[in-house]
Amino acid sequence: AQRVTQPEKLLSVFKGAPVELKCNYSYSGSPELFWYVQYSRQRLQLLLRHISRESIKGFTADLNKGETSFHLKKPFAQEEDSAMYYCALRAKTSYDKVIFGPGTSLSVIP
Amino acid sequence: KAGVTQTPRYLIKTRGQQVTLSCSPISGHRSVSWYQQTPGQGLQFLFEYFSETQRNKGNFPGRFSGRQFSNSRSEMNVSTLELGDSALYLCASSLDGHTGELFFGEGSRLTVL
Repeated sequence: AQRVTQPEKLLSVFKGAPVELKCNYSYSGSPELFWYVQYSRQRLQLLLRHISRESIKGFTADLNKGETSFHLKKPFAQEEDSAMYYCALRAKTSYDKVIFGPGTSLSVIP
Repeated sequence: KAGVTQTPRYLIKTRGQQVTLSCSPISGHRSVSWYQQTPGQGLQFLFEYFSETQRNKGNFPGRFSGRQFSNSRSEMNVSTLELGDSALYLCASSLDGHTGELFFGEGSRLTVL
């Protein structure tokens, strides 16, 4: 079975500090990992996916298959990064059955 | 392009009633997924449809059902409502259901009294 965990419900960091949102997954096959974000009063939207290896809004995430992790990182947090972040997994063989983690609420303190 | 549209946005029902929620995907998108979002459980996958066929189903009782029409619009139905069905129901569409890139609607907020 596929499962995504995010150990922190809430995370507060000061503006300009590094931020790391943790994500671990369990899946025996070949997964695709994503980070979705929901800003206040906005829709849930895709932030980045591991296969594209992009940096979006300064965020990066590396898939570590050995540790089954996909942590989201940003070297210098900005106030506009305050949002709810969801890690998500899709099994490559299961079309778009995307399983979401419980989410981490990030608060950037000015 | 218009985004994913869900109707109604808010509704109140009583226990035992049934409800139908509607979702119009982004034009050209053929895959529609449904999620239940609650504070305690987060986003729980309900089902995914593509070309009028249900391809994936989550672990919800049979009271939860859905369908997709030939124009890719989708509906979900919950029968015999229970208090625990109170939640935000999110619909998401994707181009072909092979990318994991989901475009979400604003949701339908269901309150069961």
